[in-house]
Amino acid sequence: SSELTQDPAVSVALGQTVRITCQGDSLRNYHASWYQQKPGQAPVLVIYGKNNRPSGIPDRFSGSRSGNTASLTITGAQAEDEADYYCNSRDSSGNHRVFGGGTKLTVL
Amino acid sequence: QVQLVESGGGLVKPGGSLRLSCAASGFTFSDYYMTWIRQAPGKGLEWVSYISSSGSTIYYADSVKGRFTISRDNAKNSLYLQMDSLSAEDTAVYYCAREGAYFDSSGRLSDAFDIWGQGTMVTVSS
Repeated sequence: SSELTQDPAVSVALGQTVRITCQGDSLRNYHASWYQQKPGQAPVLVIYGKNNRPSGIPDRFSGSRSGNTASLTITGAQAEDEADYYCNSRDSSGNHRVFGGGTKLTVL
Repeated sequence: QVQLVESGGGLVKPGGSLRLSCAASGFTFSDYYMTWIRQAPGKGLEWVSYISSSGSTIYYADSVKGRFTISRDNAKNSLYLQMDSLSAEDTAVYYCAREGAYFDSSGRLSDAFDIWGQGTMVTVSS
């Protein structure tokens, strides 16, 4: 079982703000990174570190962390943001990488 | 153009073996950690294995430890995954990914798989 827990599904109205969360004890010591995956495509890194976006990722994507919970926030969700989102961090050993179970985002 | 291209997937019988390759281009391969990640049909991402830039440090997920072997050839800009004793549970798309490690001002670490290949499908079935 995953050491990072995500809600299986979240929905948001077009243009509204949505927060996708990731819980795990390791997040007290590590930042999460976040990945967007659309059907039939490889995942794409959208947030890493404290709140860093790779080149080409829109600034409506942001990240934060509090206690054992990391969050990915999309401010002004667009239709093209509909996708699966995965968080990643380390396990309790610090050596193994681990992914959350993923959150399916639906934009209404 | 920064790129990773996997190959070597296919259909294999339970108990069989397969060797995946990942060809890197557009960046200095020897400077980067590399990782294999897989995704079973209709399921989420599962981290499989990590190798340091020199190849001196290697980690495996418990689900593959003792059966899979990760390696790299920096002279050939290539990453490999030797998979032995395969079972149906290993059926998945296998991605190679470039891994970065980033520290904030307080020293807190974040991984970042910033470049992914397109994936190669491995099907284990009789």
